Amino acid sequence: GIQVEQSPPDLILQEGANSTLRCNFSDSVNNLQWFHQNPWGQLINLFYIPSGTKQNGRLSATTVATERYSLLYISSSQTTDSGVYFCAVVYFAAGNKLTFGGGTRVLVKP
Amino acid sequence: DSGVTQTPKHLITATGQRVTLRCSPRSGDLSVYWYQQSLDQGLQFLIQYYNGEERAKGNILERFSAQQFPDLHSELNLSSLELGDSALYFCASSAGGGGYNEQFFGPGTRLTVL
Repeated sequence: GIQVEQSPPDLILQEGANSTLRCNFSDSVNNLQWFHQNPWGQLINLFYIPSGTKQNGRLSATTVATERYSLLYISSSQTTDSGVYFCAVVYFAAGNKLTFGGGTRVLVKP
Repeated sequence: DSGVTQTPKHLITATGQRVTLRCSPRSGDLSVYWYQQSLDQGLQFLIQYYNGEERAKGNILERFSAQQFPDLHSELNLSSLELGDSALYFCASSAGGGGYNEQFFGPGTRLTVL
């Protein structure tokens, strides 16, 4: 099956700092989504981005499908950005399920 | 708020018992997915329904079953519960049944088996 690897596993930021999270996947994908799991456990959709670049406020994401990676940028981080960020892909040979990476745990300190 | 609702939010039960988790998809979505998040296994796909029919199956135990009703809500039934079934169970929905559709997640049901 497909492998989805996220780096770094943990990230500690000072409020106001910028950061880049990476997601590598081992095969062609139909779908790639980024999620934020907040401290209460809710999974919040950030981006649906099988290719290209998107921006939403202080967050942006880029997926280079031909090179099998995606990047999530957090700018001017805030304490509310704390939580776990997951990348998930749909691999065409594995049906319609999302396969999740291990996540990047982010802590933003005031 | 994703528009996907799940009940109950929390469930505490004993080993050997049976529970039912309920999910209502976003308005207009035909596909429902169930995922399990545990500390040791991460987020894993269990099963997908599309317009009432089972579409795909993942690592779902035989003790677990699901269905999608004509009004498109779905239920996940977990029986003969074991300690290891303690996890956060998510339901997601999408407009279509194919892999190109964005999936939206509900708030989850936290199951604790004592």
